[in-house]
Amino acid sequence: QQPVQSPQAVILREGEDAVINCSSSKALYSVHWYRQKHGEAPVFLMILLKGGEQKGHDKISASFNEKKQQSSLYLTASQLSYSGTYFCGTELGAGTALIFGKGTTLSVSS
Amino acid sequence: EAQVTQNPRYLITVTGKKLTVTCSQNMNHEYMSWYRQDPGLGLRQIYYSMNVEVTDKGDVPEGYKVSRKEKRNFPLILESPSPNQTSLYFCASSSSPGGFYEQYFGPGTRLTVT
Repeated sequence: QQPVQSPQAVILREGEDAVINCSSSKALYSVHWYRQKHGEAPVFLMILLKGGEQKGHDKISASFNEKKQQSSLYLTASQLSYSGTYFCGTELGAGTALIFGKGTTLSVSS
Repeated sequence: EAQVTQNPRYLITVTGKKLTVTCSQNMNHEYMSWYRQDPGLGLRQIYYSMNVEVTDKGDVPEGYKVSRKEKRNFPLILESPSPNQTSLYFCASSSSPGGFYEQYFGPGTRLTVT
């Protein structure tokens, strides 16, 4: 039931782009994205709902392909502050538990 | 300030000595949850609560207990801790389990069981 994230790790230079994927074998109701910096708690980035609704931070974009049960997080023109571990969480239905993937570690250097 | 607080932040204990990690939120959230985080395994849910007196098991509930007597508090209880419960624990709260409501995480509690 745990969603699968890919890649496991990404190394970028400032200004480069990255895509992080999250996929599930089950039909999803929602996908959530969180970022965790080392030694800190996860912080909300984005929510995407089945049917197309989404909300999140202005500088973050993501997509949700309902046919493939896959979500992608797009990080463009990366900054040093983007470094951290990105987790997707998936929900199978409204009111069910949010299950997180194992995470994708992103390292941005100058 | 809207926040989720956890205490203690760090705890070293011995096998078998009962302990409680407290979690409190001031946002009047219905939903609260406990996760453990281990290297390479991501965030795994231990227990969650949809409202007062309503709790349910997550993915890894063995060895843990919870209670939800008040809306704001959701303590995690380890009746007889073992070394395999050494981990980083996060409490989270939300207006709803998921859907269109983000989860707010506490700062984490690093537990070491020797």
